[in-house]
Amino acid sequence: NAGVTQTPKFQVLKTGQSMTLQCAQDMNHEYMSWYRQDPGMGLRLIHYSVGAGITDQGEVPNGYNVSRSTTEDFPLRLLSAAPSQTSVYFCASRRTVNYGYTFGSGTRLTVV
Amino acid sequence: SQELEQSPQSLIVQEGKNLTINCTSSKTLYGLYWYKQKYGEGLIFLMMLQKGGEEKSHEKITAKLDEKKQQSSLHITASQPSHAGIYLCGADATSNNAGNMLTFGGGTRLMVKP
Repeated sequence: NAGVTQTPKFQVLKTGQSMTLQCAQDMNHEYMSWYRQDPGMGLRLIHYSVGAGITDQGEVPNGYNVSRSTTEDFPLRLLSAAPSQTSVYFCASRRTVNYGYTFGSGTRLTVV
Repeated sequence: SQELEQSPQSLIVQEGKNLTINCTSSKTLYGLYWYKQKYGEGLIFLMMLQKGGEEKSHEKITAKLDEKKQQSSLHITASQPSHAGIYLCGADATSNNAGNMLTFGGGTRLMVKP
């Protein structure tokens, strides 16, 4: 099993550009989440999903959109990139509550 | 919202020494997760604690949950350079976590000197 796969690993965007960070898992997990990790801020939840067709906002959702059309995929869209969105983004999935999350290897995004 | 505070924020120990990392919650802990992150990489799940007084071990790492104190501790015995990294605690925000809100502490950066 590949686990949680994130692409790309690195990305540089210009302010105002849009892009989609891809996340796919092959473990048939219902729960998926997107986090961003910033120095001194720890991991903060952006959006999450408890199943296909169901998404909700986390702690820092502004500037990001998500969709969950299949169990496997949970893409994160940046609508109009801003320098404040420079961060490392992690996608994670778990079977259900009371199970540990499996994390992807991350996408390092720089907005200039 | 639930807040998790980890202490210490950073730690440097000599190889072979024992160490403890603490995670304190502002609210009741229903599920507490410990992760390890190597520099520049993703998070690796270590263990999960649910019940007050629960204790789990994996190799030389032991975690305990003190529900009354809303605190968990992670203890490493006879530390090795392979233990170096960032240790993060995470917690489910509600008892059934219908909202799937897993929040994390700020992390403890561990260095082990050979």
